[in-house]
Amino acid sequence: QKEVEQDPGPLSVPEGAIVSLNCTYSNSAFQYFMWYRQYSRKGPELLMYTYSSGNKEDGRFTAQVDKSSKYISLFIRDSQPSDSATYLCAMTPHAGGTSYGKLTFGQGTILTVHP
Amino acid sequence: EPEVTQTPSHQVTQMGQEVILRCVPISNHLYFYWYRQILGQKVEFLVSFYNNEISEKSEIFDDQFSVERPDGSNFTLKIRSTKLEDSAMYFCASSLDSLYGYTFGSGTRLTVV
Repeated sequence: QKEVEQDPGPLSVPEGAIVSLNCTYSNSAFQYFMWYRQYSRKGPELLMYTYSSGNKEDGRFTAQVDKSSKYISLFIRDSQPSDSATYLCAMTPHAGGTSYGKLTFGQGTILTVHP
Repeated sequence: EPEVTQTPSHQVTQMGQEVILRCVPISNHLYFYWYRQILGQKVEFLVSFYNNEISEKSEIFDDQFSVERPDGSNFTLKIRSTKLEDSAMYFCASSLDSLYGYTFGSGTRLTVV
């Protein structure tokens, strides 16, 4: 079983739709969960960062973590054409102190929002 | 907003040649990383660097790879003898602690011919 699984899509939605992106993972040691956005030929850009289980909201974006199911989600409300990008989930067991922050990424989901 | 700067943006090299990829991390950051992304594949961790030494490395990061922070501002990845399969985007990242402010550069596209 892959450590982090993410459906690569592609996903195409009309402007204004609610988008749901998901990842599953197998390593129960993962505690910190991130969502990155990556435009073509650019580096990943951090969107959301959550610790353990629960929800976090930032504007049109909501991140959810369900550690019991080893399942994380990113919801985008009122999607815009500018949201068109690849969305990557990433996770790590470690944070802070002397731990070293190795991130394990999903495959990435290609999202297109059409006007 | 502070950013991680990588140069060059694209490098073409012949198989067997040595390449050095350069990165300028965010100035007050303490943790430094290299990742790579082969076309169509996942972003993969290569190495982390803290307190002037490697703190963790993946199985990809074999003896052909090395990292250095030569002058307190640059962070380099050297590949001694490039192979065709080293062709990928290489991303540098830095962070203040191991998660806070984790920022990626725009990457260097390495093409080995």
